[in-house]
Amino acid sequence: GAVVSQHPSRVICKSGTSVKIECRSLDFQATTMFWYRQFPKKSLMLMATSNEGSKATYEQGVEKDKFLINHASLTLSTLTVTSAHPEDSSFYICSAMGGAGGPHEQFFGPGTRLTVL
Amino acid sequence: AQTVTQSQPEMSVQEAETVTLSCTYDTSESDYYLFWYKQPPSRQMILVIRQEAYKQQNATENRFSVNFQKAAKSFSLKISDSQLGDAAMYFCAQGAQKLVFGQGTRLTINP
Repeated sequence: GAVVSQHPSRVICKSGTSVKIECRSLDFQATTMFWYRQFPKKSLMLMATSNEGSKATYEQGVEKDKFLINHASLTLSTLTVTSAHPEDSSFYICSAMGGAGGPHEQFFGPGTRLTVL
Repeated sequence: AQTVTQSQPEMSVQEAETVTLSCTYDTSESDYYLFWYKQPPSRQMILVIRQEAYKQQNATENRFSVNFQKAAKSFSLKISDSQLGDAAMYFCAQGAQKLVFGQGTRLTINP
């Protein structure tokens, strides 16, 4: 199998605080992980690509200092939303490559709903 | 720049009938993959079918098949014998590593 988990599934925080979201590949080593953001009734937008042991590559328009990504091991990537504001409220989804299945196949986590008050 | 366009925001079909979801894309890459993902209300992204761009043969997975027209950059999804469980948002995606997603098509199945 190729299972990806995310924690927490839901988080509510106050404006100005930081929130960390974890993405884990449970039964395979993920060479590359991706972080997406999805607004209500909208598509997924890629935020960044992370490879184990190296700095994440951010998409144009994504603030590196606001969305900190760490890929410390082959099974764990974290997204930290720093100094969160209400406009950061969204559904965040991670995916991982390297599991069973065809090459270039991404396995998605169940997502994290972030609400910033 | 890579773009993926799904021109049908919503589609509906009678149970047991066939429905086709449209997708067009644009890319400068020569080696890429195309995917259809299903996102039910749980929001979990589920891979429905994938197509390697270098393969001419259209991919098929049980009731799901694609019509891949490389020259036209078209990648439609056909769902045969629609079932109530097929109701979901369907996203077309293109890429080799990084994926670009279309806007999505909400599919409703009428019993």
